[in-house]
Amino acid sequence: GQQLNQSPQSMFIQEGEDVSMNCTSSSIFNTWLWYKQDPGEGPVLLIALYKAGELTSNGRLTAQFGITRKDSFLNISASIPSDVGIYFCAGPGASQIYGGSQGNLIFGKGTKLSVKP
Amino acid sequence: DAGITQSPRHKVTETGTPVTLRCHQTENHRYMYWYRQDPGHGLRLIHYSYGVKDTDKGEVSDGYSVSRSKTEDFLLTLESATSSQTSVYFCAISGWGRSYEQYFGPGTRLTVT
Repeated sequence: GQQLNQSPQSMFIQEGEDVSMNCTSSSIFNTWLWYKQDPGEGPVLLIALYKAGELTSNGRLTAQFGITRKDSFLNISASIPSDVGIYFCAGPGASQIYGGSQGNLIFGKGTKLSVKP
Repeated sequence: DAGITQSPRHKVTETGTPVTLRCHQTENHRYMYWYRQDPGHGLRLIHYSYGVKDTDKGEVSDGYSVSRSKTEDFLLTLESATSSQTSVYFCAISGWGRSYEQYFGPGTRLTVT
């Protein structure tokens, strides 16, 4: 079945450093999404990407839709303590790729980010 | 923040008992989803709804049923809870035209003893 592989699984960085993480798939995706989850809360949508090669920013966050359509990247510049959390990539399941009914969003297992003040 | 609430937020129940979790939205969004989140598995789709009384199964639907009688409410029922259903359950919503962009509720932590 479809799987999204995120790397690294965890990161421990110094405040002020830039962060890079990625997500890869064996299948082609037509949409990539990035979420952040704080402890005890639901995931929050950060960025949605719809076109191969697209680069989209949200504050200090920048995400890119890989040109092969099998990967996506998330960068965080000048990290701060509130960036701590788990970052998930997500994409439509097979039923959505072929125009089926909505739903079946699949998620990577996440990258856990820790920031040292 | 999307107007999504889940109830209860925490529940402990015994094996074999029925359990119903409720998701309520104030956004009038068409699509609603139930996910479970487990260590090592991430988020997995249980069931989703694409309209009132229109639902479909997700990746891990066995042992769960859903109902949607009103746009704003989506119920998840465990007919006979098992310990393997101990998890954190999240409801999500999305609107027409941007259905990939799902917005999540705060979650319900369910423990089945």
